[in-house]
Amino acid sequence: KQEVTQIPAALSVPEGENLVLNCSFTDSAIYNLQWFRQDPGKGLTSLLLIQSSQREQTSGRLNASLDKSSGRSTLYIAASQPGDSATYLCAVNTGSYQLTFGKGTKLSVIP
Amino acid sequence: GAGVSQSPRYKVAKRGQDVALRCDPISGHVSLFWYQQALGQGPEFLTYFQNEAQLDKSGLPSDRFFAERPEGSVSTLKIQRTQQEDSAVYLCASSPQVGSPLHFGNGTRLTVT
Repeated sequence: KQEVTQIPAALSVPEGENLVLNCSFTDSAIYNLQWFRQDPGKGLTSLLLIQSSQREQTSGRLNASLDKSSGRSTLYIAASQPGDSATYLCAVNTGSYQLTFGKGTKLSVIP
Repeated sequence: GAGVSQSPRYKVAKRGQDVALRCDPISGHVSLFWYQQALGQGPEFLTYFQNEAQLDKSGLPSDRFFAERPEGSVSTLKIQRTQQEDSAVYLCASSPQVGSPLHFGNGTRLTVT
């Protein structure tokens, strides 16, 4: 059974810092991996989707990498802003219709 | 509409009551998913529709949970005889096709007292 772990569970950084969020998964036979952002009381917003054949994806200040063989992905956020404060969730798709999510990393960016 | 719409936003039910949660996906999206998110946890898969066909219901926790999408657009998740452990946020998501990024609604927060 696929298990997804996100470390750390919470992170607090001063504005302007670069930061890395980590995601690991137990079954490397994945179809794709997706990073989401969730604001309090809201649904999930898709940030980046990496197909299994890709190594990384970039969108603005966000860069996500995927190392399938080691079962790891990272989300890099450059020049963090208070508006980046949210919970970030990693989810893997093993080719079925189901996404398996981690518990998320709660990020606080302090002005 | 512009995004996935879910109603109601909040629902309080007494234990034993039946509830119905509605999802309006983005127009034209073939795939529709229901997820359950307990407090402090990541979402967990409940069920998947491709158009009107329910292709996977393996995540439904018990036979008290039932989902339908009769015309391939709006979907309803029904929970019969609600229990306290059903308290969670129920998220609906849609996508134009399998493998595309999911678009989530804001969810329905169900509290069973």
